[in-house]
Amino acid sequence: ELKVEQNPLFLSMQEGKNYTIYCNYSTTSDRLYWYRQDPGKSLESLFVLLSNGAVKQEGRLMASLDTKARLSTLHITAAVHDLSATYFCPLRPNFGNEKLTFGTGTRLTIIP
Amino acid sequence: NAGVTQTPKFQVLKTGQSMTLQCAQDMNHNSMYWYRQDPGMGLRLIYYSASEGTTDKGEVPNGYNVSRLNKREFSLRLESAAPSQTSVYFCASSEAGRITGELFFGEGSRLTVL
Repeated sequence: ELKVEQNPLFLSMQEGKNYTIYCNYSTTSDRLYWYRQDPGKSLESLFVLLSNGAVKQEGRLMASLDTKARLSTLHITAAVHDLSATYFCPLRPNFGNEKLTFGTGTRLTIIP
Repeated sequence: NAGVTQTPKFQVLKTGQSMTLQCAQDMNHNSMYWYRQDPGMGLRLIYYSASEGTTDKGEVPNGYNVSRLNKREFSLRLESAAPSQTSVYFCASSEAGRITGELFFGEGSRLTVL
């Protein structure tokens, strides 16, 4: 059974600081995603990581994937208040299996 | 384009009542999904449909039925609502077979069962 574990579950950090969210998963996967959810809102796709060593960056967010370690990271650089949200890293176990499995998410709060 | 549209956005039911959540997408996607989101639980898959006329159970299907009416629409029915079904329900769609295959989500339907 595919399991996704994120840590930390809650993160409060000051503006301007750097931090990393970790996403561990239990079986092989060929596609991992990062989504953002603002309180009371829907989910927005941030990144799709398709292969070992993949790195994607958008603004202050950078995501990477290590399939051998079954680990993805979301690095936040010089955090700003607008990045406050819950972040999820769902994944698909393999091509042809279209069901995404989610973890519990990481709730990030950026303090001015 | 509207993307994924869910109705209703809010609903309050009494235990034992029935209702249907409607979902429609205008992106010509093959795959559609129903998830529920509960505090501290992330999103859990209720049902999945790979194409019109096909459905598959997800992680938490008990107490729910679905219908893939056509390529655009995927409905979720609660036949006899229970307080444990109080949750936020999200419909999503994706293009099966596409290399990226990310899901596009609706705005959610907040259901309270008293």
